[in-house]
Order: sequence, then C-alpha cells, then structure tokens
Amino acid sequence: DTEVTQTPKHLVMGMTNKKSLKCEQHMGHRAMYWYKQKAKKPPELMFVYSYEKLSINESVPSRFSPECPNSSLLNLHLHALQPEDSALYLCASSQADRNTEAFFGQGTRLTVV
Amino acid sequence: KNQVEQSPQSLIILEGKNCTLQCNYTVSPFSNLRWYKQDTGRGPVSLTIMTFSENTKSNGRYTATLDADTKQSSLHITASQLSDSASYICVVSPQRAGTASKLTFGTGTRLQVML
Repeated sequence: DTEVTQTPKHLVMGMTNKKSLKCEQHMGHRAMYWYKQKAKKPPELMFVYSYEKLSINESVPSRFSPECPNSSLLNLHLHALQPEDSALYLCASSQADRNTEAFFGQGTRLTVV
Repeated sequence: KNQVEQSPQSLIILEGKNCTLQCNYTVSPFSNLRWYKQDTGRGPVSLTIMTFSENTKSNGRYTATLDADTKQSSLHITASQLSDSASYICVVSPQRAGTASKLTFGTGTRLQVML
C-alpha cells in the first residue's frame, strides 16, 4: 500500500467556520507534511511532522493548526480563514530517517467564501 | 538560496512525438532529485528518484538523466500519449541526515499532448 489518503476531496467553508482536513497513510512513514498549492504554482511547504512532533513550521498563520495524533494520521484544523487561503492542500509522507521518496495524497480542494 | 528552475514553462506536442524537459538546480549539498507528474487538481505522482551517483533512470516511457557536476537533469518522454498531458515537476532534496527534509520544488513544465 503506497497510498496517502486525504479527506475530504473538496471543501467549501465560510470565513467564520471551523473545519479540519485529514490525511492518513499506512506505509509506516514517520514524516508527514502539509503543503499548500495555488493554481499553476508549485506546492509550498506549510508544516513537517517527524516522529509525531512538529519539526518545521514555515511561518504559517495561526488560523492553520496542524495535529499529528499518531504515526498514521495528520490533521489540519482550519479556523477563520480568508478567501486567499483557497487552494489545493496536499498531504505527503516519507521515511523520516532516510532521504527517500515522498508520497503525496490527491489533495483537498479548499474554497473559502 | 536553494532553487530549482525548469524549462520550458509550457510545451505542446503531437501525440506520438517525443519531448525533453529540463531542470537546473542550485541545491547544495544534494541528496536526490525527483520528477513528479501532476494532473490538474490532483496530487503529484512520483516518476523517478535519483541520487547523485545515478546518471539515468527509466520508468516505462519516462527516462530521467542527471548530471550532478553541472546540476542539471532532464526528463525524456517517448511516444507521448494524450494521458501524458500534465505538469511535470522537478523536486530536489537537500542532504540532511536524521529527520525529514524540506524539498525544493521547481515551477513545473506544463505539457499538453494533442491529436
């Protein structure tokens, strides 16, 4: 199983809503990532978790709150987002102690209205 | 600053033709270089991953080359198909032991294959 599963596939939320994006992998990877991707741009790193601990936060606004409840799951909690936060949010995973391939999920298309 | 530049930005070719996409990088020290294919609105899918000691790697109709001395890579697509229409992203991973590394993404080449 080389799959990273993201839910939901699409999400529309208002600026006062609270929602969560979910990511799951069962490859035994101990590094998990959140990326944000705008149209026709490369993915931008938001957060990296390594062994369930936050290791990189790319100065992401606090309205995005990551959580790694266990080695297979990664969440991204969303609150008070802005329309400019509308994007494709990608989750990825890889081995943490070897610089090997990263596997990406299919993404969540988020629209903030 | 670590950078990955790709060319061309976009490319249109006829079905059945071959094409070559280019990637230049400045990431140092360098661990590995990856090529991903990304369909619009979907997550990237890995095509190849090469370490600095590898010169070429194939995956079906996709062949990637790497020159670590000149910091250049190419992705050659043979006998293109309509389903090859996508963005192709070059991603370079820095050398870093122990923990997950930050990847440096190129801006991608948008390939369109037409009948």
